Amino acid sequence: EPEVTQTPSHQVTQMGQEVILRCVPISNHLYFYWYRQILGQKVEFLVSFYNNEISEKSEIFDDQFSVERPDGSNFTLKIRSTKLEDSAMYFCASSEGLAPYNEQFFGPGTRLTVL
Amino acid sequence: AQSVTQLGSHVSVSEGALVLLRCNYSSSVPPYLFWYVQYPNQGLQLLLKYTSAATLVKGINGFEAEFKKSETSFHLTKPSAHMSDAAEYFCAVSFSGGYNKLIFGAGTRLAVHP
Repeated sequence: EPEVTQTPSHQVTQMGQEVILRCVPISNHLYFYWYRQILGQKVEFLVSFYNNEISEKSEIFDDQFSVERPDGSNFTLKIRSTKLEDSAMYFCASSEGLAPYNEQFFGPGTRLTVL
Repeated sequence: AQSVTQLGSHVSVSEGALVLLRCNYSSSVPPYLFWYVQYPNQGLQLLLKYTSAATLVKGINGFEAEFKKSETSFHLTKPSAHMSDAAEYFCAVSFSGGYNKLIFGAGTRLAVHP
């Protein structure tokens, strides 16, 4: 069964460093998303992406964040200069369509720890 | 603004007992509602979804949920809990015009004891 994969599973970095989180969405999906979950808090939407453009982004997704689909398979989230408060589990998701009833398929997440 | 509230961050049931996980939503437009489950060290997996067809929705692993507009609720139930149901459960809402953005509740951790 097709699945969304994410690498690495755990990333530890120093404050101020850049990190890139990688995701491989399901191959025939066209819409991609990033969510994050700070420990003990809700899963929060960060950004949606379609046709090499951001469709929507949340207030969290400021200039420190960027997304890219560098090739036909990968979808990346970059944090330019990490802060302590960026420590969280980051989930990538993909869907076939953009309609609100389309299922989003989630990856297992990358746990980011900023020291 | 749309939001989701899950009552009870932790629920504990005996094996074979009824599972009831509560979810209430707030939405100014017709919502689409989802229940996701997360097992340890895994991603979120869709259990079921409400998309304005039948109000009683059946999902995987014997779970079902009923959409009640008058109560703005979408509670998740399972008649008989199994040990393998122990996981975290998330209720989420999306809506037309929202670019399929999911808004999640805080989650409910279900424990099943023998």
